[in-house]
Amino acid sequence: GQNIDQPTEMTATEGAIVQINCTYQTSGFNGLFWYQQHAGEAPTFLSYNVLDGLEEKGRFSSFLSRSKGYSYLLLKELQMKDSASYLCAVYNDYKLSFGAGTTVTVRA
Amino acid sequence: ETGVTQSPTHLIKTRGQQVTLRCSSQSGHNTVSWYQQALGQGPQFIFQYYREEENGRGNFPPRFSGLQFPNYSSELNVNALELDDSALYLCASSSGQGAMKGYTFGSGTRLTVV
Repeated sequence: GQNIDQPTEMTATEGAIVQINCTYQTSGFNGLFWYQQHAGEAPTFLSYNVLDGLEEKGRFSSFLSRSKGYSYLLLKELQMKDSASYLCAVYNDYKLSFGAGTTVTVRA
Repeated sequence: ETGVTQSPTHLIKTRGQQVTLRCSSQSGHNTVSWYQQALGQGPQFIFQYYREEENGRGNFPPRFSGLQFPNYSSELNVNALELDDSALYLCASSSGQGAMKGYTFGSGTRLTVV
């Protein structure tokens, strides 16, 4: 089966840094995605990790450790528009298996 | 480059009815997947179509069925609707069978079953 865990909610202040952790136990693994989803909107692609290590893309970075079944998404210099749900998803067998999502609230 | 478009955006149906949801893939994408997202949950994989053939299916009963057309647009059909089918239905397209080049999601159809 697929088990993907991430915290339900996180709150941070504008300009700060937030790290969203994701742990997974899945029957297979071909990569890990992070998506951002604003309420009522489509999930939008943030990052894709297939090898261990850190991928940096502007204010967003994602890390993967396949041996530990662990990933995190790091959001730097938080802006109000970053308030959204962040979804961790494992890719395997042509499908994405998602966690329940972490709702991040950015306060002024 | 157009993205993924879904129709309708909202829909209310009665238990026992049938519903058809539609999706137009992003230009150049030949693979389409459908996901069900219940409130407060992550999307759950329903099935995937590649070149008009279903090539992967999640844990959904046979009353969930689909089609992909030669222009790579797609339909999701749900028969004998149940209250638990109320959810956001997302369509995602990609090029090739794998997600290595990334999935593009539509904004979804919000289905309410009463």
